[in-house]
Amino acid sequence: GENVEQHPSTLSVQEGDSAVIKCTYSDSASNYFPWYKQELGKRPQLIIDIRSNVGEKKDQRIAVTLNKTAKHFSLHITETQPEDSAVYFCAASIRQAGTALIFGKGTTLSVSS
Amino acid sequence: GAGVSQSPSNKVTEKGKDVELRCDPISGHTALYWYRQSLGQGLEFLIYFQGNSAPDKSGLPSDRFSAERTGGSVSTLTIQRTQQEDSAVYLCASSFEGRIITGELFFGEGSRLTVL
Repeated sequence: GENVEQHPSTLSVQEGDSAVIKCTYSDSASNYFPWYKQELGKRPQLIIDIRSNVGEKKDQRIAVTLNKTAKHFSLHITETQPEDSAVYFCAASIRQAGTALIFGKGTTLSVSS
Repeated sequence: GAGVSQSPSNKVTEKGKDVELRCDPISGHTALYWYRQSLGQGLEFLIYFQGNSAPDKSGLPSDRFSAERTGGSVSTLTIQRTQQEDSAVYLCASSFEGRIITGELFFGEGSRLTVL
């Protein structure tokens, strides 16, 4: 089955800096890669996703890139703010096959002002 | 309800007892997931129900764990003979998924299980 590795496990940045979180996946058939954000004491929520037919997707300060050949994808947050502090999870699945969404172990991002 | 509902929100039990955790997904959602989140750990996949297909049970850690989804709606996760290592937050999520539609997962608040 699918295995998702996520790095780093913790990331500390200064407000205004950029943050990058990287994930690799094992199943070359995976074609859907969402990112979820979990603030302290709250439930995970989707922030951005990408399908395998595109290499990059942006939404304001957040972008995700996908390299299918290398089987890795990354989350980029620019101009970080204290409210970006949270745990971020990447995930992968094979949508058309109806397979389960498998998450990485998460990255704890701390943005200090 | 408007969101995914889980009960109980907190459960404290003694080692060896059985527990049942309930998930009421968003109405109309075809897919339902159970994940386990231990302190400082990620979202560990347990089981996945999708429509009328056979569930994907590949994430269940042992045969003490089982889950059902009755009538394509409410799901119950059962843990038999609980062990201390079962202590965690059990999260349920639902989504609408089809061959083309990629559904966002909506998570419940979770059930925090503590095994003494």
